Amino acid sequence: KAGVTQTPRYLIKTRGQQVTLSCSPISGHRSVSWYQQTPGQGLQFLFEYFSETQRNKGNFPGRFSGRQFSNSRSEMNVSTLELGDSALYLCASSLTGGSSYNEQFFGPGTRLTVL
Amino acid sequence: KNEVEQSPQNLTAQEGEFITINCSYSVGISALHWLQQHPGGGIVSLFMLSSGKKKHGRLIATINIQEKHSSLHITASHPRDSAVYICAVASYNTDKLIFGTGTRLQVFP
Repeated sequence: KAGVTQTPRYLIKTRGQQVTLSCSPISGHRSVSWYQQTPGQGLQFLFEYFSETQRNKGNFPGRFSGRQFSNSRSEMNVSTLELGDSALYLCASSLTGGSSYNEQFFGPGTRLTVL
Repeated sequence: KNEVEQSPQNLTAQEGEFITINCSYSVGISALHWLQQHPGGGIVSLFMLSSGKKKHGRLIATINIQEKHSSLHITASHPRDSAVYICAVASYNTDKLIFGTGTRLQVFP
């Protein structure tokens, strides 16, 4: 079974631009969660989608948004990029919703650099 | 104070040594995850547990819910175990994962 894939793997943008990142979960997995990892803040939960609905959301501004398609693929969008948005963005998939009782399978991440 | 604290932050060991990484948390949880992150960023889920003890190969994870503490042990450590080990708790109230800052382990031959 193919693992979680994320595209693109690397991205360079300038302040004020917007960016869209994509995540394809493991076949059969219906939940996709997104995380941001920075040297200063570590790993932080962004949001979780399950069956095309946002199931949970972290403490990030409205510039960060996401969606999930009927095939469970998910995208996240960051508008009006700031220097502080430079980070590794990871997605993880699981069979059903919720991080409590579900093992998370992580993708390789997208490294975003904002100049 | 962080809701999830890990110790030590950095750890070096000689090949073959027994390793212990600790995780303490202050929130009510429904599960605790141990994750491994290699250079380059990829994260692998090692364990998910809500009570007792789990073992997989040379790795053992334990949790004490009353003391709000978990440990990850690596027996007979090997240089390929060199990575960052991250503890994450699933908050009982919010069902969100809250992450520790990680323990960087280097195992030398």
